[in-house]
Amino acid sequence: DVKVTQSSRYLVKRTGEKVFLECVQDMDHENMFWYRQDPGLGLRLIYFSYDVKMKEKGDIPEGYSVSREKKERFSLILESASTNQTSMYLCASSTLLLRVAPLHFGNGTRLTVT
Amino acid sequence: DAKTTQPNSMESNEEEPVHLPCNHSTISGTDYIHWYRQLPSQGPEYVIHGLTSNVNNRMASLAIAEDRKSSTLILHRATLRDAAVYYCILREVNAGGTSYGKLTFGQGTILTVHP
Repeated sequence: DVKVTQSSRYLVKRTGEKVFLECVQDMDHENMFWYRQDPGLGLRLIYFSYDVKMKEKGDIPEGYSVSREKKERFSLILESASTNQTSMYLCASSTLLLRVAPLHFGNGTRLTVT
Repeated sequence: DAKTTQPNSMESNEEEPVHLPCNHSTISGTDYIHWYRQLPSQGPEYVIHGLTSNVNNRMASLAIAEDRKSSTLILHRATLRDAAVYYCILREVNAGGTSYGKLTFGQGTILTVHP
């Protein structure tokens, strides 16, 4: 089974801090994604990457950046955390080798910015 | 992006079949229909997908209307573990036959299963 592991289940940070959310997948997938999930707004795509060092903006990239130095790891960076970035963050991965391959999600990191 | 419409919530009894509807009247010819579900405190989980023909797997069946403007996810015998939010998503495959996998999630249907 594909495993997508997010480094923290819960995280509490202060406004203005630099925050790193880490995600690792063990299936050699080319694609990796970061979503955030908020009540009433559903899941929204922040950034995705289809190869090492490649990244594409999703629907809500403002206030975020990403890093993909190795194929298995995709990091989401909040340069200066703000309270409106309090949310559930979900990482996912998929292969490019299959047409319409499914996404495999981690269990999420619930970030609270105070 | 083509949109989907699902009921906000549905209820079922344990061991009964559940039919979860989804309308996608603006679907294009290259859109695949995907279903994911999200159990409490977990990330979304892939359930099934199809293009034109009905599909079956170990988790569920997907029935697609002939005009493709609607589809139904069928859970043949609901269990308490099937209580989740179910998302119907349209996913475009580009001309090269690949998809980077960008999914646009709607609000989904909250399925409650009664013992």
